[in-house]
Amino acid sequence: KQEVTQIPAALSVPEGENLVLNCSFTDSAIYNLQWFRQDPGKGLTSLLLIQSSQREQTSGRLNASLDKSSGRSTLYIAASQPGDSATYLCAVRVVTGNQFYFGTGTSLTVIP
Amino acid sequence: EAGVVQSPRYKIIEKKQPVAFWCNPISGHNTLYWYRQNLGQGPELLIRYENEEAVDDSQLPKDRFSAERLKGVDSTLKIQPAELGDSAVYLCASSRVINSPLHFGNGTRLTVT
Repeated sequence: KQEVTQIPAALSVPEGENLVLNCSFTDSAIYNLQWFRQDPGKGLTSLLLIQSSQREQTSGRLNASLDKSSGRSTLYIAASQPGDSATYLCAVRVVTGNQFYFGTGTSLTVIP
Repeated sequence: EAGVVQSPRYKIIEKKQPVAFWCNPISGHNTLYWYRQNLGQGPELLIRYENEEAVDDSQLPKDRFSAERLKGVDSTLKIQPAELGDSAVYLCASSRVINSPLHFGNGTRLTVT
């Protein structure tokens, strides 16, 4: 079974700082990897989707990379803002069974 | 486009009572998922539909949970009878095709007392 790990579980940074969130997975047989943010009491909002053949995807201040062979992905957030405060989850879509497996998330707090 | 719509947003029931959740996916999305999310955890799959067919229900506790997706559009998830351990957020998600992004609704927060 695919195991998805996100470290750290919580992160607090001052406004304006660049930061990196990490996601690791045990089985490299994946279709894609998706990053989400979740605000308290809300569902998950899709941020970026990286197909298994891709190395990175960018959207605004966000950049996600994928190294399938080493089972790692990073989400880079540039010039962080208080509005970025949320929990960030990664999910991998595995080939076997075509399921998504989620990490437990990194809770980010950006201090004004 | 309209997002995934779920109702109700909150539900409080006593144990042993029945409860139902409703989901309307994004128009044109053939794949529909029901997930359960416990506090501090990532979502865990309960059931996945491709159109009307439940193609993966291996993690659905079938003694008390049931789901249906009539006409391959909206879906209902039911619990009968509810237990204290069923308290969680129930999330519905949909995707267009196999490699397209997963989109979530806002979820239903269930509290069983």
